Amino acid sequence: AQSVTQLDSQVPVFEEAPVELRCNYSSSVSVYLFWYVQYPNQGLQLLLKYLSGSTLVESINGFEAEFNKSQTSFHLRKPSVHISDTAEYFCAVTPPTGKLIFGQGTTLQVKP
Amino acid sequence: GAGVSQSPRYKVAKRGQDVALRCDPISGHVSLFWYQQALGQGPEFLTYFQNEAQLDKSGLPSDRFFAERPEGSVSTLKIQRTQQEDSAVYLCASSPSRDRGTGELFFGEGSRLTVL
Repeated sequence: AQSVTQLDSQVPVFEEAPVELRCNYSSSVSVYLFWYVQYPNQGLQLLLKYLSGSTLVESINGFEAEFNKSQTSFHLRKPSVHISDTAEYFCAVTPPTGKLIFGQGTTLQVKP
Repeated sequence: GAGVSQSPRYKVAKRGQDVALRCDPISGHVSLFWYQQALGQGPEFLTYFQNEAQLDKSGLPSDRFFAERPEGSVSTLKIQRTQQEDSAVYLCASSPSRDRGTGELFFGEGSRLTVL
């Protein structure tokens, strides 16, 4: 079975500061890794995913995540956040033929 | 519409009532998922359809929960004899991929169920 732990329930940060949202997972088999984002009053949207290949994956809006197999982590980072990044962020894992397992979510609060 | 549509967006039910939640996936999407999201928690898997076939219902919490997708497009999640612990947001997602592990899921905005 797989499980996901998001280590911070809330992360307050000032605009233009860097941010890291932490995600650790547990699995006895190889998994695919995802970050989904939920903006206020909207549905979940895929932010980025790691399936194979380069361990560093990037999104179109400046976020990046690095798959670290030895530490079973998939932390999400952005060097400079914007007010519009305020949202709930969910880390998720799945074995290739399995169902998506989500973490509990991290609320990113970007302050002016 | 272009996205996944769910209705109703909000539903208040008295304990013991039956409820039905509808999901209109993106046209042509083969895979359809239902998730349950309790307050302050991440979404939890309920069930998965590939076209009209329900391939996985391992996440349904009890036999009061039933889902169907008879024509391989619209899906309905039915909860019989609702209980307070059923209060949650019910999310529907669809994907064009038959491989449910690698495809991007497109989520609706959810149906918020409150059981009094």
